[in-house]
Amino acid sequence: EAQVTQNPRYLITVTGKKLTVTCSQNMNHEYMSWYRQDPGLGLRQIYYSMNVEVTDKGDVPEGYKVSRKEKRNFPLILESPSPNQTSLYFCASSLSEPRGTEAFFGQGTRLTVV
Amino acid sequence: ELKVEQNPLFLSMQEGKNYTIYCNYSTTSDRLYWYRQDPGKSLESLFVLLSNGAVKQEGRLMASLDTKARLSTLHITAAVHDLSATYFCAVEETSGTYKYIFGTGTRLKVLA
Repeated sequence: EAQVTQNPRYLITVTGKKLTVTCSQNMNHEYMSWYRQDPGLGLRQIYYSMNVEVTDKGDVPEGYKVSRKEKRNFPLILESPSPNQTSLYFCASSLSEPRGTEAFFGQGTRLTVV
Repeated sequence: ELKVEQNPLFLSMQEGKNYTIYCNYSTTSDRLYWYRQDPGKSLESLFVLLSNGAVKQEGRLMASLDTKARLSTLHITAAVHDLSATYFCAVEETSGTYKYIFGTGTRLKVLA
């Protein structure tokens, strides 16, 4: 089954404690990205990756890091989480070529930073 | 900077009625996407619109794109309760970056 898998689904952590949210897709997609969803703000793109070892900032990259060492995986790293990073996070993947293909989303990770 | 505005933000409608959700964006793009999100769930793709004048239909939903007006519409025909969800449009930047910008979403409630 084609899917994007995020882990964990729920996470409560304390300010400053480094964490990683994993994302894996099995569709051989080149393009992967991370979004955060906050009430009234829709989804905002954090980082995206066009392919292995190619990443770039989205609209809200501050406080986040990513890496793309393998095509299927795109982890999101919060080196020093703060309460304003409490949010619902989605990973998504799609083809890079041809452009203009639908994105497939993971089930989401609800993060609470206290 | 690309901005995407959706309206209305909230929509409560009776079953059987028609309505339209609007998605305006601020810079040139010919790649627009519509997604649906059920409460507590992830997003699923509804439509991909890739050219001026593109129109796509699936069941009671029809989406169109006017790149000259920088406007996409999602039209709901004879709404049913199962269409209750939040609908997002997203625009892909096509000028040197590969960003996606989402609208704030339209929360649709169809009343029986």
